[in-house]
Amino acid sequence: EPEVTQTPSHQVTQMGQEVILRCVPISNHLYFYWYRQILGQKVEFLVSFYNNEISEKSEIFDDQFSVERPDGSNFTLKIRSTKLEDSAMYFCASSHDRGRETQYFGPGTRLLVL
Amino acid sequence: DAKTTQPTSMDCAEGRAANLPCNHSTISGNEYVYWYRQIHSQGPQYIIHGLKNNETNEMASLIITEDRKSSTLILPHATLRDTAVYYCIVRAPNRDDKIIFGKGTRLHILP
Repeated sequence: EPEVTQTPSHQVTQMGQEVILRCVPISNHLYFYWYRQILGQKVEFLVSFYNNEISEKSEIFDDQFSVERPDGSNFTLKIRSTKLEDSAMYFCASSHDRGRETQYFGPGTRLLVL
Repeated sequence: DAKTTQPTSMDCAEGRAANLPCNHSTISGNEYVYWYRQIHSQGPQYIIHGLKNNETNEMASLIITEDRKSSTLILPHATLRDTAVYYCIVRAPNRDDKIIFGKGTRLHILP
């Protein structure tokens, strides 16, 4: 069964450093998403991406964040200058279509900012 | 904010049916009810969704009341691996890109 994959599974970085989280969505999916979950808190939407552009973003997704689909398979989330409060699990998701279509989530990347 | 209300936690004995309730009294006519679950430290996992008819798949059954103001997710024979946080979510097709997760119900399956 096709699945969303994410790398790395864990990342430790120093405050102020740039990190890139990588995702490989399901191959025939067209919509891509990033969510995050701070330890002990709810899963929060960050951004959705379709046709090589952002279709929606949350207040969390400020100028420090960016997303890119550099080739036909990868979808990345970049945090330009990490802050302590960026420590969280980051989940990538994809769907074939928007709305009613089911979003399938990856296993997540645990980011720890020191 | 999430448009649903769920109990904070529930217990269920292994092998028994787990019935997880959800209230969505403000649901509108074009919104679907979705259920996801999150096993500890893993990504959310899709379970089932429906509009107004009851639905069943290999994982669970979804019972939606006639007025659509509430629903119940049924795991027919719960196992220890079903221990997770279960999220009930309402979304409208062709409008809502994002999923808004609430706090969900923490289901403990007891041996």
